[in-house]
Amino acid sequence: NAGVTQTPKFRVLKTGQSMTLLCAQDMNHEYMYWYRQDPGMGLRLIHYSVGEGTTAKGEVPDGYNVSRLKKQNFLLGLESAAPSQTSVYFCASSSAREGRSYTFGSGTRLTVV
Amino acid sequence: AQSVSQHNHHVILSEAASLELGCNYSYGGTVNLFWYVQYPGQHLQLLLKYFSGDPLVKGIKGFEAEFIKSKFSFNLRKPSVQWSDTAEYFCAVRGYNKLIFGAGTRLAVHP
Repeated sequence: NAGVTQTPKFRVLKTGQSMTLLCAQDMNHEYMYWYRQDPGMGLRLIHYSVGEGTTAKGEVPDGYNVSRLKKQNFLLGLESAAPSQTSVYFCASSSAREGRSYTFGSGTRLTVV
Repeated sequence: AQSVSQHNHHVILSEAASLELGCNYSYGGTVNLFWYVQYPGQHLQLLLKYFSGDPLVKGIKGFEAEFIKSKFSFNLRKPSVQWSDTAEYFCAVRGYNKLIFGAGTRLAVHP
C-alpha cells in the first residue's frame, strides 16, 4: 500500500549514542516533515523539507540533523542522544498543492537512557 | 505567532453522548484547518479539513467541524459517540510550509 514508512519502529539508545531514523514515501510528495510527539504537547515540528536537497528548521531543531538526498527519503539524525530526546517521532509527507493534507508514518518510539 | 489552542485536554463521555471539542487558532494568512485522530498505538489519520467554501465540513465516521472566522474557531462535533471513538484528537492549522498542531484532546468513551 502507498504511504509513509518509518524505520525502526522502536529503539533504545544510551546517552551519547547516535542513530538515524529513516522515512520513505512512495507518493511522489514534494514536502516531508519530522515531528516529535510528547504527552500534553501535541506534535512539534523538528525539521522539514520542501524538495530534494533542501531542508529547513522547525520549532524544535536543536540536537537533530536531517538530509533529503532523494525525493522519497527523509533522514533524521541524532548525533549525541540525550534523555530529553525520548519521544515518539513521526514522519509525514504532503504534496505541494494548495489545501494539501499530510500523510503520516506509523512512528518511531525512541527511549534514551 | 502561529498557534493552535485546544481547550479540553481530557474528555470522558458515555456512548451515545454528543461531542464537541474546541479549537482556536492564531494565523494571519489564508486558513487551512484540519482535524486528525490518533487511535491508541497508531499514527495520525485525517478526519476532515477546511480549505474554502462551506464552513461546515463533514468528515469520516460521522464527524463534522464548523469554521467560524470571526471567532478563529474550528470546533469538532459528533452527535453520538461510540466506544470506538476513543482516541486522541488534534486540531491543526497550515502555516508557511508546515502544519501547526494543538496539544491534543484525549477522548475516552465508556460503554
